[in-house]
Amino acid sequence: KAGVTQTPRYLIKTRGQQVTLSCSPISGHRSVSWYQQTPGQGLQFLFEYFSETQRNKGNFPGRFSGRQFSNSRSEMNVSTLELGDSALYLCASSKTLSSYEQYFGPGTRLTVT
Amino acid sequence: TQLLEQSPQFLSIQEGENLTVYCNSSSVFSSLQWYRQEPGEGPVLLVTVVTGGEVKKLKRLTFQFGDARKDSSLHITAAQPGDTGLYLCAGTQNTGNQFYFGTGTSLTVIP
Repeated sequence: KAGVTQTPRYLIKTRGQQVTLSCSPISGHRSVSWYQQTPGQGLQFLFEYFSETQRNKGNFPGRFSGRQFSNSRSEMNVSTLELGDSALYLCASSKTLSSYEQYFGPGTRLTVT
Repeated sequence: TQLLEQSPQFLSIQEGENLTVYCNSSSVFSSLQWYRQEPGEGPVLLVTVVTGGEVKKLKRLTFQFGDARKDSSLHITAAQPGDTGLYLCAGTQNTGNQFYFGTGTSLTVIP
């Protein structure tokens, strides 16, 4: 069974630009969560989608948004990039909304210059 | 403020030694997970514990969930270089499905 895939793996953007990251969950998994990982703040929850609806949201500004498609694939978008947005963005999938177990993809390393 | 605090933050030991990593909180969790993450990769789920006092063993790794479901520990026996990585605990609460991650413990096992 294929794991969670994320594209692209690496990305370099300039301040003020916007970026879209993609995540394909494990087949049969319907819940997708997004996290930001930085050396200073660790792993922080961005949002979770289930059945194309955002179900939970972390404490991030509105510049961070996401969506989920009918095939459970998800995208997250960051607009007006700031230097502090440089991070590893991780996507995790789980079977259902209340599942205790989630499986992570390899992440997208975003560098903002 | 992190909901889950891990200690120690860094740990460097010789191959064959034993070690324990702690994950503590003042809040109650309905479940707790442990992950290991290697550089450039996403965290890999090691175990999930859901019952207070629960102990799970995975080869040389022993995981325990505190009786009050506020803390957990990970004990590694006879550490090997392949155990090197960032160990993360994460928990969910009854109020929602959001996972809260600990501050992380970076383990280096020296051959």
